[in-house]
Order: sequence, then structure tokens, then C-alpha cells
Amino acid sequence: QKEVEQDPGPLSVPEGAIVSLNCTYSNSAFQYFMWYRQYSRKGPELLMYTYSSGNKEDGRFTAQVDKSSKYISLFIRDSQPSDSATYLCAMNRNYQLIWGAGTKLIIKP
Amino acid sequence: GAVVSQHPSWVICKSGTSVKIECRSLDFQATTMFWYRQFPKQSLMLMATSNEGSKATYEQGVEKDKFLINHASLTLSTLTVTSAHPEDSSFYICSATAGTGNEQFFGPGTRLTVL
Repeated sequence: QKEVEQDPGPLSVPEGAIVSLNCTYSNSAFQYFMWYRQYSRKGPELLMYTYSSGNKEDGRFTAQVDKSSKYISLFIRDSQPSDSATYLCAMNRNYQLIWGAGTKLIIKP
Repeated sequence: GAVVSQHPSWVICKSGTSVKIECRSLDFQATTMFWYRQFPKQSLMLMATSNEGSKATYEQGVEKDKFLINHASLTLSTLTVTSAHPEDSSFYICSATAGTGNEQFFGPGTRLTVL
């Protein structure tokens, strides 16, 4: 069993929809949770960084962490075609990141 | 802030030659740098972790003599793929952390094609 599970998709939704991306994990020692966005043939870009359970909002993006369920989510409101990318969750083990497989998101105009 | 650059962005080389990829933190001092490789439609695979002035720590299965990492300063790390072969063709990405932060800031990646 992988330490971090993430559905690779693809997830296709119409423009303007609310997108929900999720990861589950097995190691209760993880403390920091991150969401990265990666466009094709580009390096990952940090979107959200959270430490504890709860919600964190930044513009159209909301990151949610539920440590009791070992479940994290990223919500994208008012999705745009430019949001089409692969979204990777990551969490720390010491100074290393443990990555999800990435979910390919397609926003249809 | 927190910009990481990589050079070159794309390189094609002949089998048997060596290729050097540079990773620079442009506006911060990177205490730790990481090198990843990524195959198409797959997630990032950590190759090695390097701290300035010390030897890199390689992940299991990564040949240290083939993938030479030098972290000579707080803003520069290099990855040299020695005697490259077609199976080394991949997308190589570096990242860096500042201070004791857990956030990793990524470079744009280098696409290596070995003919």
C-alpha cells in the first residue's frame, strides 16, 4: 500500500464548476500537507501549504485537512480552462516530500 | 520570491556522453536542494537530497556514480548524468528549501533526451 493515495483521473468538469481533488494517507506522523499544480512539461508550482487540520483559503482555492480521517482535499471554485493541469498532493517525512500520483484535471470551456 | 531556475531547459545528447544540469535559487539561500526525475504521466521520483557543502544522500536504487550531484554553494546545485544512455531520458526537476522550511520550491525542469 502506498503511503499517499491519489486518483490519477483524468477528471473532466465544465467551466465554472467546483472541483474537488482528494488524497488519503496512511502515516499519521505527516504534519505538513501541500498541493502543487503542474502544467505539462513544467516544474510543480506550490499552491497551498497547510500544517494542521482545518481549512485554508486562498482566492479560488481551499485546502482542507482532516487528520482524524487521514484525508486531504483541494477545492477549486469557479474553475477556469487555465486550471487544467495535474494536481499533486504531497506531505512531509522529515525534509522529504511523499507524493501522490497526481490527478489530471481538465476544465472544458 | 522563492524562484528556482534550471539550465538548460532541454538537452539532447548522444549515448555515452555526460550532461550537466544546473539548479539555482535566485532570491534565497537554499539550505537543501532535491533532485527528482519524472517519467511521462508519472509522479515525481526523488533521486537525491543535497545540503550545501556535504555529500548528497541518494535514494535506494539511484546510482551515485552515474548521477553526480554537487552542491557547492547555497544557491547552486548541479546534477551530472555521466555516460548517459537512452533509458536516462526523462524530465529532471530540482527543488529547494530555505532555512528550516518544509516548503519546496521547484525549478521549471530539464528535459533530457539521449539518442
